[in-house]
Amino acid sequence: ILNVEQSPQSLHVQEGDSTNFTCSFPSSNFYALHWYRWETAKSPEALFVMTLNGDEKKKGRISATLNTKEGYSYLYIKGSQPEDSATYLCAFLQGAQKLVFGQGTRLTINP
Amino acid sequence: DAGVIQSPRHEVTEMGQEVTLRCKPISGHNSLFWYRQTMMRGLELLIYFNNNVPIDDSGMPEDRFSAKMPNASFSTLKIQPSEPRDSAVYFCASSSRVQPQHFGDGTRLSIL
Repeated sequence: ILNVEQSPQSLHVQEGDSTNFTCSFPSSNFYALHWYRWETAKSPEALFVMTLNGDEKKKGRISATLNTKEGYSYLYIKGSQPEDSATYLCAFLQGAQKLVFGQGTRLTINP
Repeated sequence: DAGVIQSPRHEVTEMGQEVTLRCKPISGHNSLFWYRQTMMRGLELLIYFNNNVPIDDSGMPEDRFSAKMPNASFSTLKIQPSEPRDSAVYFCASSSRVQPQHFGDGTRLSIL
């Protein structure tokens, strides 16, 4: 059974603070790791696709790192804003196209 | 680009009825995915197609569920007969090769 674990499950952060959370995945047969942002009542939107060990991707105040040897990825948000409140999903690409999603980290930014 | 289009957005029906969910993927995407979101299990893959061919249906809960993709621009997910435990949000997504998946707005299904 392929397990993609995210921690913490939920997180409350004060506006302006920086935060990060973790995605753990199998370190063997790695193809890619995806990060998605999922706002309430909307659909998941892709943030990053990471494929190489040591990859670091950035989109505005959000960045992610990847360690395929040990099987983890971190997502960082710098200077959190209320609009960052969402569930952040990571997904491990198993085989050519099948994504296995973690349960997500639900982030709430308190004004 | 209109994105992935799902219909209906909401469906409420009585148990035992047949339910058909529809999806139009983004033009040019060769892979289509059906997911179900529940509180207990999160986002789980039901089935996916590559070039209109079902590749992996191991996530389909049971024989009451079936999915088809008759052409590159249309797919259906059918539940017959429906049961209350099928109530969930069903998402369709499409992608091209290993690019990120683009999700539709989902169908919120309630079986009474």
